[in-house]
Formats: sequence, structure tokens, C-alpha cells
Amino acid sequence: GAVVSQHPSRVICKSGTSVKIECRSLDFQATTMFWYRQFPKQSLMLMATSNEGSKATYEQGVEKDKFLINHASLTLSTLTVTSAHPEDSSFYICSARGGFPTDTQYFGPGTRLTVL
Amino acid sequence: DAKTTQPPSMDCAEGRAANLPCNHSTISGNEYVYWYRQIHSQGPQYIIHGLKNNETNEMASLIITEDRKSSTLILPHATLRDTAVYYCIVSGRPGNTGKLIFGQGTTLQVKP
Repeated sequence: GAVVSQHPSRVICKSGTSVKIECRSLDFQATTMFWYRQFPKQSLMLMATSNEGSKATYEQGVEKDKFLINHASLTLSTLTVTSAHPEDSSFYICSARGGFPTDTQYFGPGTRLTVL
Repeated sequence: DAKTTQPPSMDCAEGRAANLPCNHSTISGNEYVYWYRQIHSQGPQYIIHGLKNNETNEMASLIITEDRKSSTLILPHATLRDTAVYYCIVSGRPGNTGKLIFGQGTTLQVKP
């Protein structure tokens, strides 16, 4: 159990467009989901915490109007990168808290975003 | 959340035990030690977590010192597929809001 999926796995878009990334907990309900970003050869950086039915909490320095997060159900959270620019190119990873063994955080496989 | 210190890299021979250390001298009484690993271009994989007792599961063992200021993750028989970046993270108890803040981790290279 405790499987988290992300879609798409890879996306290439033009500068100025918006991109939506989905994160789903497949076999458990997740009241809290987290979004991370990872640049090449760097560690994961937490962007925001998403709670079902409420507004996301963003980490310092993360623009909430640029990275829109929606957590409409206990199994789905979405991250929309609005008006993407080349500097937004990164590996975006979500995690969901719940499942076995004891309400631990489980991570999705990540989404590689390339903005041309 | 308490910070952790890990060596940047380690090597291990295939089939031998890999012992990955982590220092967390500022850990507080209600904080857990979590271990995750990240294989290249994938999302982190949960390995194990513990509070103060040693823990073992099908993947690894976690040894926490009595003063809880350090811990060691043990992969009993390392394989080439265990080559990854291993992250030791200190955070609140499972089920809490506890965010996981990733440091630089230890890059473990398992060699044939």
C-alpha cells in the first residue's frame, strides 16, 4: 500500500503558458499533501503544504500566485505553475501523508517540467 | 525542526552491510528520526523511522543512540540497486503536521 502517483511524468511547455500537475494517493486517504521542487544536483525544497478543503500554506519565498495549489479531495492535489518561465524548469515532487505503516509521508515519482 | 549532519558520500561493497551515520544533536523529545532515499530522477522512497527504540523492517535497521543525538541506518546486504542519496530527517511524530525538511544527504555508492 501507500502509493502516490503524479501526472504527467514529464512536460515541456512554452514560456508564458500554465501547467497543471496532479498528485494522487492511490490506496489511502491523505489529509495533507506536500509539494517540493528539486533543481539539478540539489536537495528537495519544500514549497507548500496542502490540506484538504483549505488553503495551502506556502514556504517563505514561494510565490503563491505563481504556484497555485488545490486540494479538493482526500486523494487529489494539484499544482499549477502559472505563466511559466525557463527558470521554473525543475523536478516537482509531491508527497502525501497517510497509509501504512503509521501515517508516514510517501512521495510521488516526480514531474519533470521544462519551459522553453 | 532539528538539523541533521550526514557525510556527503560513502562507498560500500556489494553484499556487505552499509552503515550510514546521522548526527542530530539538537533533536527534541517529541521528534522522530526518518530515513528516506532517492534514486536518481525518482521521488524519495520511505525507508524507516523511529523515536528512541531501535527499529527494523524488511528494508533496513535503524539504531538510535540512548541520548538520541545520533543514529545509524543499516542496510544489511547492500546491492547495486541500493545506490542512492540517503536522507536523515528529524521531524514531528507521524500524523502531525510535521514537514520533512531535506538536507544534502549521503550519496551511497554500492560497488561490485
